[in-house]
Parts: sequence; C-alpha cells; structure tokens
Amino acid sequence: AQKVTQAQTEISVVEKEDVTLDCVYETRDTTYYLFWYKQPPSGELVFLIRRNSFDEQNEISGRYSWNFQKSTSSFNFTITASQVVDSAVYFCALSEATGRRALTFGSGTRLQVQP
Amino acid sequence: NAGVTQTPKFQVLKTGQSMTLQCAQDMNHEYMSWYRQDPGMGLRLIHYSVGAGITDQGEVPNGYNVSRSTTEDFPLRLLSAAPSQTSVYFCASSYSIRGALAKNIQYFGAGTRLSVL
Repeated sequence: AQKVTQAQTEISVVEKEDVTLDCVYETRDTTYYLFWYKQPPSGELVFLIRRNSFDEQNEISGRYSWNFQKSTSSFNFTITASQVVDSAVYFCALSEATGRRALTFGSGTRLQVQP
Repeated sequence: NAGVTQTPKFQVLKTGQSMTLQCAQDMNHEYMSWYRQDPGMGLRLIHYSVGAGITDQGEVPNGYNVSRSTTEDFPLRLLSAAPSQTSVYFCASSYSIRGALAKNIQYFGAGTRLSVL
C-alpha cells in the first residue's frame, strides 16, 4: 500500500522568509510519480510539479524548488523569499506508474505567510 | 479551453435524497476520477475510469455510483445521501498513455461543496 506523510500540519512564516515543506512517502513500486499541488483559499487544486522515481535531479522554478531523495523516500518543497500569495494548503501526492494510477495524497500542510 | 468543469459548486441535501455531481472535461483525456476531501485527511479516491465504458472503485466507493458513457463526462451519483457524505468533491482527468512513461498529471476541477443535513 502507498502512503504519504506530511508531518507539518501548519506553518506560519513572515514574508521573505524561506520555508520548506516536508513530504515522506512509502511505496513498494519501483516506478512511481510524486507530485505537489497547491490549494489556495479559493479552493481549487493547482498542479505544481511531477517527478518520476527514476529522476532524482532537483528542480527549481522561480522561487520554488524541490528536493527528491529516494534514499530517504522524501520529496521536500522549498519556497524561497515567501510572499503572502503563497499562503495555501500544499499537498504532496504519490501515484503508481501503471494500473489504477490513482493519487495517494498526504494530509496537507497549511502555510500562512504573514506580511 | 475550459479544462475540467464541475457543477454545481455548492449543494445542500437532506438525508436520503439523491443527486448527481457533474464533471466534464474538454481535453480528450481518457482517465477521469473522483476524490473527496475531508478536513485533515487530504483527498481520497472514490471511483475512476480509464476510458469510456470502463469504471472501477477507488479507496472509498461505498454510497457512490459512476458511469462513463462518453470520454468527456464522468458523473458521480449519490443514491441516498448520508451526513457522512458531507465533503468537498473533486473531479480530475489526465491522459492515459500506457506504459511506464504515462504522463499521469491529473488536472482538477474547482470542486463541489456538498452538505448533507
């Protein structure tokens, strides 16, 4: 069975601080995908990134960066110089590469960025 | 390009009533799915479909029915609503390329907030 753990329920930072959201996963599959989604206060789910299990390169997109480490089964998400607009709930998710390909979500981390 | 469209956005039902949550996508995606979101639990899969005419159960299917008569539409039916079905429901879709290189990026609708009294 697959499992995703986001141990940080809520994080509060002041604008311009860097913040890292942790994600630890469990799976028996050798090929799988990891995702991050953002859910702003308006409620929709916004896709941020997908990572294949065989690609451990870290990725940077503007102020966002992701650190994937298979050795520790972690896929952490860092926001540099946080902004108020980053306030949202962030979900880490895991899916099989074939078959049902359903997303298994973590319980989410609520990020509050104070001005 | 509307993406994934869910209707209605909000709904209040009485226990025992039935209703259908609509989901439509205009991206020609083969794969569609329904999730429910409850506080502190992330999203959980209810039902999914890998193509027209094919559906299967997810993690929490009890109390829900689905059908997939067209590629575009994937309605979710509650036959007899219960207070435990109070939740936010999300529909998602993605391409379905078979094999290890499947894209599998699921795009979500805006959600339907359902309250069952």
